Amino acid sequence: DIQMTQSPSSLSASVGDRVTITCRASQSISRYLHWYQQKPGKAPKLLIYAASSLQRGVPTRFSGSGSGTDFTLTISSLQPEDFATYYCQQSFNTHSWTFGQGTKVEIK
Amino acid sequence: EVQLVESGGRLVQPGGSLRLSCAASGFVVSSNFVTWVRQAPGQGLEWVATFYSAGKTYYADSVKGRFTVSRDNSNNTLNLQMNSLRPDDTAVYYCARVPTVSSDYYPMDVWGQGTTVTVSS
Repeated sequence: DIQMTQSPSSLSASVGDRVTITCRASQSISRYLHWYQQKPGKAPKLLIYAASSLQRGVPTRFSGSGSGTDFTLTISSLQPEDFATYYCQQSFNTHSWTFGQGTKVEIK
Repeated sequence: EVQLVESGGRLVQPGGSLRLSCAASGFVVSSNFVTWVRQAPGQGLEWVATFYSAGKTYYADSVKGRFTVSRDNSNNTLNLQMNSLRPDDTAVYYCARVPTVSSDYYPMDVWGQGTTVTVSS
């Protein structure tokens, strides 16, 4: 199975900060990488698909980059509503999809 | 509006069975892939299974041989039959749509609200 490793596991940041979360795959996954945001008690929400495509309706302060094994989610200016847990997920292996362990973004 | 609604979650004893349903509206289940994802209390997301529009299903090793996904085209619903349940199957279970037209990369773009399964004696 393809392992997905996110870093950091958690971070503290202030409103207006630029935040970067990384996700590394255990083997090349091309651009089959997606990012989700989850708030407590809620279902995950798709933010970025295919590594860098912004899902419709998602604010442009969110961006994604990378291909192969290394990927990045960037929030250019953190807003109060962005405090949440973020997950990466690979869909390269059609037999087995996997999520990263999550990155919790907390208020500093 | 495109929507998914899960149902069927409840308390069940270890070794028991349960069937979850995922009712779709605003799109046709048979024309898309649908995925089940679960989240144990306080834990991250875990992929459970993906049902491909051609009828093929792939399962996580943790549920293979115990869980079965089926589709009910007449009700535009996907079902997850769970047998031989174990305490570590306790989780919120989500279904999610994987569109096949808007992307070739298979993201999960629409999620249900989740249904809670508790396996305990």
